[in-house]
Amino acid sequence: EVQLVQSGVEVKKPGESLKISCKGSGYTFSNYWIAWVRQKPGKGLEWMGIIFPRDSDTKYSPSFEGQVTISADKSMSTAFLQWSSLKASDTAMYYCARRYCNGSSCYVGGYGYWGQGTLVTVSS
Amino acid sequence: QSVLTQPPSASGTPGQRVTISCSGSSSNIGTNVVNWHQQVPGTAPKLLIYGNNQRPSGVPDRFSGSKSVTSASLAISGLQSEDEADYYCAAWDDSLNAVVFGGGTRLTVL
Repeated sequence: EVQLVQSGVEVKKPGESLKISCKGSGYTFSNYWIAWVRQKPGKGLEWMGIIFPRDSDTKYSPSFEGQVTISADKSMSTAFLQWSSLKASDTAMYYCARRYCNGSSCYVGGYGYWGQGTLVTVSS
Repeated sequence: QSVLTQPPSASGTPGQRVTISCSGSSSNIGTNVVNWHQQVPGTAPKLLIYGNNQRPSGVPDRFSGSKSVTSASLAISGLQSEDEADYYCAAWDDSLNAVVFGGGTRLTVL
């Protein structure tokens, strides 16, 4: 069974750094893109970027380029999302997600597997 | 302002059929597949439709998707109270080189 398990709730102050994680199991982690999706309180889903763990090829949404860093450690089957200096506007739920694949076809933008979410609160 | 445009709300009574639209452009829906996700408030999203009109196993056939040129629709027939949720369309955008989501539609079952 494919599972994505994310790290726990974070409460941080503006200017602090943070790295949250997403551990995959039940499949060959290296072979599937992992996406990060932001959801601010009461708002919709925003795609932040993706990483291919086998070679760490990474793509960012223009809205998030330079604001966050996405990385992965394939030996740990874990993807990461990090900030060097948090802002109050980073307060949100963050989800990792994996594409749905049917046979040899995988569907961009169709996320069949989601982590449970990591709530990040940034407040002074 | 989302790249994909959805109505903010929709509603229906139990048993009714409702449709939710998703309007895009030639750089996203016009050239790439559309996917739909359902999110019950307080939970992670769930994939409902992939590849324009395919259902993952376990998704009831009451849910169906379609696409025409630069728009897509999600139809829910035989509406049930458990369908009350937020619905999001998503597609790759060739101009942005990113996945774009619609703003979401809150479905209320009256």
